[in-house]
Amino acid sequence: EDKVVQSPLSLVVHEGDTVTLNCSYEVTNFRSLLWYKQEKKAPTFLFMLTSSGIEKKSGRLSSILDKKELFSILNITATQTGDSAVYLCAVETTSGTYKYIFGTGTRLKVLA
Amino acid sequence: DAGITQSPRHKVTETGTPVTLRCHQTENHRYMYWYRQDPGHGLRLIHYSYGVKDTDKGEVSDGYSVSRSKTEDFLLTLESATSSQTSVYFCAIQGVLTGYEQYFGPGTRLTVT
Repeated sequence: EDKVVQSPLSLVVHEGDTVTLNCSYEVTNFRSLLWYKQEKKAPTFLFMLTSSGIEKKSGRLSSILDKKELFSILNITATQTGDSAVYLCAVETTSGTYKYIFGTGTRLKVLA
Repeated sequence: DAGITQSPRHKVTETGTPVTLRCHQTENHRYMYWYRQDPGHGLRLIHYSYGVKDTDKGEVSDGYSVSRSKTEDFLLTLESATSSQTSVYFCAIQGVLTGYEQYFGPGTRLTVT
Protein backbone atom coordinates (compact mmCIF):
# COMPACT_ATOMS: atom_id res chain seq x y z
CA GLU A 1 0.00 0.00 0.00
CA ASP A 2 1.31 3.43 -0.95
CA LYS A 3 2.01 5.71 1.98
CA VAL A 4 3.63 8.98 2.93
CA VAL A 5 4.63 9.65 6.53
CA GLN A 6 5.65 13.05 7.82
CA SER A 7 7.40 13.85 11.06
CA PRO A 8 7.19 15.44 13.46
CA LEU A 9 3.43 15.96 13.56
CA SER A 10 3.91 19.35 15.15
CA LEU A 11 6.72 21.60 16.14
CA VAL A 12 7.03 24.84 18.11
CA VAL A 13 10.16 26.96 17.70
CA HIS A 14 11.28 30.53 18.28
CA GLU A 15 12.05 33.06 15.61
CA GLY A 16 15.54 32.60 14.25
CA ASP A 17 15.64 28.85 14.84
CA THR A 18 16.34 26.37 12.05
CA VAL A 19 13.88 23.51 11.54
CA THR A 20 13.99 20.27 9.59
CA LEU A 21 10.80 18.57 8.48
CA ASN A 22 10.82 14.97 7.34
CA CYS A 23 8.86 13.05 4.72
CA SER A 24 9.31 9.32 4.11
CA TYR A 25 7.44 7.41 1.44
CA GLU A 26 6.63 4.04 -0.04
CA VAL A 27 5.08 4.18 -3.50
CA THR A 28 5.14 2.21 -6.72
CA ASN A 29 7.62 3.48 -9.30
CA PHE A 30 8.52 6.80 -7.70
CA ARG A 31 8.70 9.80 -10.02
CA SER A 32 8.14 12.99 -8.04
CA LEU A 33 7.79 14.41 -4.52
CA LEU A 34 6.27 17.79 -3.81
CA TRP A 35 6.20 20.09 -0.80
CA TYR A 36 3.37 22.49 -0.05
CA LYS A 37 2.72 25.14 2.59
CA GLN A 38 -0.79 25.50 3.97
CA GLU A 39 -1.79 28.45 6.08
CA LYS A 40 -5.45 29.03 6.88
CA LYS A 41 -6.50 28.30 3.34
CA ALA A 42 -5.49 26.23 0.32
CA PRO A 43 -2.03 24.63 0.04
CA THR A 44 0.54 26.52 -2.01
CA PHE A 45 3.34 24.85 -3.93
CA LEU A 46 6.92 25.09 -2.65
CA PHE A 47 9.17 22.52 -4.32
CA MET A 48 9.17 19.59 -6.69
CA LEU A 49 11.91 16.96 -6.40
CA THR A 50 12.67 14.12 -8.74
CA SER A 51 16.40 13.45 -8.40
CA SER A 52 18.42 12.39 -5.39
CA GLY A 53 20.94 14.73 -3.87
CA ILE A 54 19.98 17.87 -5.76
CA GLU A 55 18.96 20.62 -3.37
CA LYS A 56 16.13 22.91 -4.30
CA LYS A 57 16.30 26.31 -2.66
CA SER A 58 14.02 29.29 -2.33
CA GLY A 59 15.12 31.98 0.08
CA ARG A 60 15.31 30.49 3.55
CA LEU A 61 13.66 27.23 2.46
CA SER A 62 15.47 24.30 0.95
CA SER A 63 14.67 20.69 0.24
CA ILE A 64 16.49 17.55 -0.80
CA LEU A 65 15.51 14.05 -1.78
CA ASP A 66 17.12 10.69 -1.01
CA LYS A 67 15.67 8.07 -3.36
CA LYS A 68 17.76 5.27 -1.89
CA GLU A 69 16.47 5.79 1.65
CA LEU A 70 13.05 6.97 0.40
CA PHE A 71 12.77 10.29 2.18
CA SER A 72 12.95 14.02 1.74
CA ILE A 73 13.63 16.86 4.14
CA LEU A 74 12.48 20.45 4.12
CA ASN A 75 14.74 22.90 5.93
CA ILE A 76 13.75 26.36 7.03
CA THR A 77 16.52 28.60 8.34
CA ALA A 78 16.12 31.78 10.40
CA THR A 79 12.43 31.04 10.93
CA GLN A 80 9.92 33.88 11.08
CA THR A 81 6.39 34.00 12.46
CA GLY A 82 5.15 34.03 8.87
CA ASP A 83 6.53 30.52 8.45
CA SER A 84 3.85 29.23 10.83
CA ALA A 85 1.77 26.82 8.77
CA VAL A 86 1.16 23.18 8.00
CA TYR A 87 3.75 21.76 5.62
CA LEU A 88 2.54 18.97 3.38
CA CYS A 89 4.50 16.40 1.45
CA ALA A 90 2.96 14.63 -1.56
CA VAL A 91 4.26 11.79 -3.72
CA GLU A 92 3.00 10.58 -7.09
CA THR A 93 1.55 7.13 -6.40
CA THR A 94 2.47 5.51 -9.69
CA SER A 95 4.77 7.03 -12.24
CA GLY A 96 2.91 8.67 -15.08
CA THR A 97 -0.52 8.84 -13.48
CA TYR A 98 -0.23 12.32 -11.91
CA LYS A 99 -2.12 10.93 -8.89
CA TYR A 100 -0.66 12.01 -5.58
CA ILE A 101 -0.81 10.75 -2.03
CA PHE A 102 -0.32 13.29 0.72
CA GLY A 103 1.16 12.96 4.17
CA THR A 104 -0.81 14.27 7.12
CA GLY A 105 1.48 17.27 7.39
CA THR A 106 3.73 18.89 9.98
CA ARG A 107 2.23 21.81 11.88
CA LEU A 108 4.91 24.41 12.53
CA LYS A 109 4.40 27.26 14.95
CA VAL A 110 7.04 29.97 15.17
CA LEU A 111 6.93 32.13 18.28
CA ALA A 112 8.09 35.75 18.27
CA ASP B 1 -3.83 33.27 -9.15
CA ALA B 2 -4.16 30.00 -10.98
CA GLY B 3 -7.69 30.89 -12.11
CA ILE B 4 -9.52 28.23 -10.16
CA THR B 5 -12.76 28.80 -8.28
CA GLN B 6 -15.08 26.61 -6.26
CA SER B 7 -18.77 26.96 -5.52
CA PRO B 8 -20.37 27.06 -3.12
CA ARG B 9 -17.76 28.06 -0.58
CA HIS B 10 -19.87 26.94 2.35
CA LYS B 11 -22.80 24.58 2.50
CA VAL B 12 -24.88 22.98 5.23
CA THR B 13 -27.10 20.12 4.18
CA GLU B 14 -29.06 17.30 5.74
CA THR B 15 -28.22 13.63 5.70
CA GLY B 16 -29.63 11.88 2.65
CA THR B 17 -29.77 14.91 0.37
CA PRO B 18 -27.78 15.14 -2.87
CA VAL B 19 -25.04 17.75 -3.08
CA THR B 20 -23.00 18.97 -6.04
CA LEU B 21 -19.82 20.97 -5.72
CA ARG B 22 -18.42 22.82 -8.70
CA CYS B 23 -14.84 23.51 -9.66
CA HIS B 24 -14.15 25.97 -12.46
CA GLN B 25 -10.81 26.77 -14.05
CA THR B 26 -9.86 29.39 -16.62
CA GLU B 27 -6.43 27.92 -17.42
CA ASN B 28 -7.45 25.16 -19.83
CA HIS B 29 -5.54 22.55 -17.82
CA ARG B 30 -6.05 18.91 -18.63
CA TYR B 31 -5.78 17.42 -15.13
CA MET B 32 -8.24 18.31 -12.36
CA TYR B 33 -8.64 16.81 -8.90
CA TRP B 34 -11.04 16.64 -5.97
CA TYR B 35 -9.62 16.18 -2.47
CA ARG B 36 -11.10 16.18 0.97
CA GLN B 37 -9.21 17.36 4.01
CA ASP B 38 -9.98 16.15 7.52
CA PRO B 39 -8.07 16.52 10.78
CA GLY B 40 -5.56 13.71 11.21
CA HIS B 41 -5.89 12.57 7.59
CA GLY B 42 -4.40 15.34 5.54
CA LEU B 43 -5.51 15.65 1.93
CA ARG B 44 -7.06 12.54 0.39
CA LEU B 45 -7.82 12.16 -3.30
CA ILE B 46 -11.48 11.46 -4.12
CA HIS B 47 -11.48 11.49 -7.93
CA TYR B 48 -9.46 13.04 -10.65
CA SER B 49 -9.86 13.80 -14.34
CA TYR B 50 -7.31 13.66 -17.12
CA GLY B 51 -9.56 15.11 -19.81
CA VAL B 52 -13.15 15.72 -20.84
CA LYS B 53 -15.19 12.65 -19.87
CA ASP B 54 -12.01 10.92 -18.59
CA THR B 55 -12.03 10.34 -14.85
CA ASP B 56 -10.53 7.89 -12.36
CA LYS B 57 -11.01 7.03 -8.72
CA GLY B 58 -8.82 8.12 -5.88
CA GLU B 59 -8.30 6.58 -2.47
CA VAL B 60 -11.65 7.66 -0.94
CA SER B 61 -14.10 7.55 -3.84
CA ASP B 62 -16.96 5.62 -2.19
CA GLY B 63 -20.10 7.76 -1.98
CA TYR B 64 -18.85 10.27 -4.55
CA SER B 65 -19.24 10.64 -8.29
CA VAL B 66 -17.76 13.16 -10.71
CA SER B 67 -18.40 14.51 -14.15
CA ARG B 68 -16.40 16.58 -16.58
CA SER B 69 -18.31 17.58 -19.69
CA LYS B 70 -16.16 20.66 -20.39
CA THR B 71 -12.47 21.29 -19.87
CA GLU B 72 -13.14 24.12 -17.46
CA ASP B 73 -15.63 22.43 -15.12
CA PHE B 74 -15.25 19.45 -12.81
CA LEU B 75 -18.26 18.54 -10.69
CA LEU B 76 -18.27 16.46 -7.53
CA THR B 77 -21.57 14.90 -6.47
CA LEU B 78 -22.54 13.31 -3.20
CA GLU B 79 -25.57 11.27 -4.21
CA SER B 80 -26.86 10.93 -0.65
CA ALA B 81 -24.83 12.92 1.83
CA THR B 82 -23.79 11.35 5.13
CA SER B 83 -22.30 12.91 8.24
CA SER B 84 -18.97 11.23 7.48
CA GLN B 85 -18.75 13.43 4.39
CA THR B 86 -18.57 16.57 6.49
CA SER B 87 -15.23 17.97 5.41
CA VAL B 88 -13.38 20.67 3.54
CA TYR B 89 -13.24 19.90 -0.17
CA PHE B 90 -10.47 21.23 -2.37
CA CYS B 91 -10.33 21.20 -6.11
CA ALA B 92 -6.94 21.35 -7.80
CA ILE B 93 -5.50 21.68 -11.28
CA GLN B 94 -2.17 20.48 -12.59
CA GLY B 95 0.24 23.33 -13.06
CA VAL B 96 2.67 24.07 -15.87
CA LEU B 97 5.59 25.45 -13.85
CA THR B 98 7.03 21.97 -13.38
CA GLY B 99 4.21 19.89 -14.85
CA TYR B 100 3.84 18.13 -11.52
CA GLU B 101 2.68 20.78 -9.05
CA GLN B 102 -0.98 21.37 -8.29
CA TYR B 103 -2.80 24.63 -7.72
CA PHE B 104 -5.66 24.45 -5.29
CA GLY B 105 -8.96 26.26 -5.24
CA PRO B 106 -10.13 28.12 -2.13
CA GLY B 107 -12.04 25.12 -0.75
CA THR B 108 -15.65 24.34 0.10
CA ARG B 109 -16.62 23.69 3.68
CA LEU B 110 -19.45 21.14 3.69
CA THR B 111 -21.38 20.25 6.82
CA VAL B 112 -23.84 17.35 6.76
CA THR B 113 -26.23 17.40 9.71
